[in-house]
Amino acid sequence: DAGITQSPRYKITETGRQVTLMCHQTWSHSYMFWYRQDLGHGLRLIYYSAAADITDKGEVPDGYVVSRSKTENFPLTLESATRSQTSVYFCASRGQGAVTNEQFFGPGTRLTVL
Amino acid sequence: AQSVTQPDIHITVSEGASLELRCNYSYGATPYLFWYVQSPGQGLQLLLKYFSGDTLVQGIKGFEAEFKRSQSSFNLRKPSVHWSDAAEYFCAVIGNEKLTFGTGTRLTIIP
Repeated sequence: DAGITQSPRYKITETGRQVTLMCHQTWSHSYMFWYRQDLGHGLRLIYYSAAADITDKGEVPDGYVVSRSKTENFPLTLESATRSQTSVYFCASRGQGAVTNEQFFGPGTRLTVL
Repeated sequence: AQSVTQPDIHITVSEGASLELRCNYSYGATPYLFWYVQSPGQGLQLLLKYFSGDTLVQGIKGFEAEFKRSQSSFNLRKPSVHWSDAAEYFCAVIGNEKLTFGTGTRLTIIP
């Protein structure tokens, strides 16, 4: 089915472990984004990508790594998870062209770091 | 840098009553503004957007928003809410191709 998907939907891990959250979109959108959602902060941009092999930092990139070898995938890796990274993570994508084009959001991944 | 303020953390409205959710923005140039809705356990869905033209913007689900440059506001309105409108609402502004979100307003609907 077309759209933007995230996996896993729920993840529990321990401090210090590496975790990778997956994001996949079927629209061939150029832009992809990772946000985290925390109470009192709304959504904050972690990293974004304008095209394959092009990534850039957002507002809160520390502790995260991204890659984009294929247009349709944009994995987010927590190299050594910390409790402060407990959050809900949303992936989004939008097409090339006007910056006012809609961003489409995935369903989110709820990550708990113990 | 751009910013968005949603002064109301939580609003409770009776079903059938009117609704207004407040949003104030800060941005040096002409703002591109958005309202998103997030139902429980779901991702975000775009309700409407403003980037030029008519300052009263119509969106999905019967929502509208009015851009007021003099007040740096982009308030969301609905004349009569339904129980299914219970959700979290986010205002956002585009700057340097990146969306900046407000902290959200949680809407509760009572019978």
